[in-house]
Amino acid sequence: DIQMTQSPSTLSASVGDRVTITCRASQSISSWLAWYQQKPGKAPKLLIYKASSLESGVPSRFSGSGSGTEFTLTISSLQPDDFATYYCQQYNSFWTFGQGTKVEIK
Amino acid sequence: EVQLVESGGGLVKPGGSLRLSCAASGFTFSSYSMNWVRQAPGKGLEWVSSISSSSSYIYYADSVKGRFTISRDNAKNSLYLQMNSLRAEDTAVYYCARDSCSGCPFDYWGQGTLVTVSS
Repeated sequence: DIQMTQSPSTLSASVGDRVTITCRASQSISSWLAWYQQKPGKAPKLLIYKASSLESGVPSRFSGSGSGTEFTLTISSLQPDDFATYYCQQYNSFWTFGQGTKVEIK
Repeated sequence: EVQLVESGGGLVKPGGSLRLSCAASGFTFSSYSMNWVRQAPGKGLEWVSSISSSSSYIYYADSVKGRFTISRDNAKNSLYLQMNSLRAEDTAVYYCARDSCSGCPFDYWGQGTLVTVSS
């Protein structure tokens, strides 16, 4: 089974900050990685697929990069609506999620 | 507009059974693989099961294999999860989610239905 490890688990930041979240896979998954945003009491929302492709309707301040085993999600300028929990997901072999990164207000 | 609406959650005793349903609308249901994903209270996301568009391919997480059964009825635009031999650790919000393409990330999710396993 492929394990996904995110860091950090919690991130404190201010509006306007540049934020980076890292996701590591236990084996190579090529670019078969997605990122989701989840707000309390809501379903996850797909942000990025194939490591760096932006889902339709997602603001361009979100970007993804990486391949193989190491990936990053970057928010170029954090907005009030971006305080949420973010999950990576591999879909190279079935589906596995990272444990999540909570982005909270500093 | 794509909509996925889960139902069937509730309180059940350990060892009991429950059947979840997911009603789909706004897209050609029979063309997409579908999934169940769960989230225990205060925890992360866990993929549970997947079924291909024609039910030819079915997959389960090891944690539910042999206890849960996924199925679909394309004529009724519905997805199901039959859950047997339920355990306390199955307590979670269960989401149905659409594969954006077979074996791809999940582009649409329902609002979830809560399953609580407790005596």
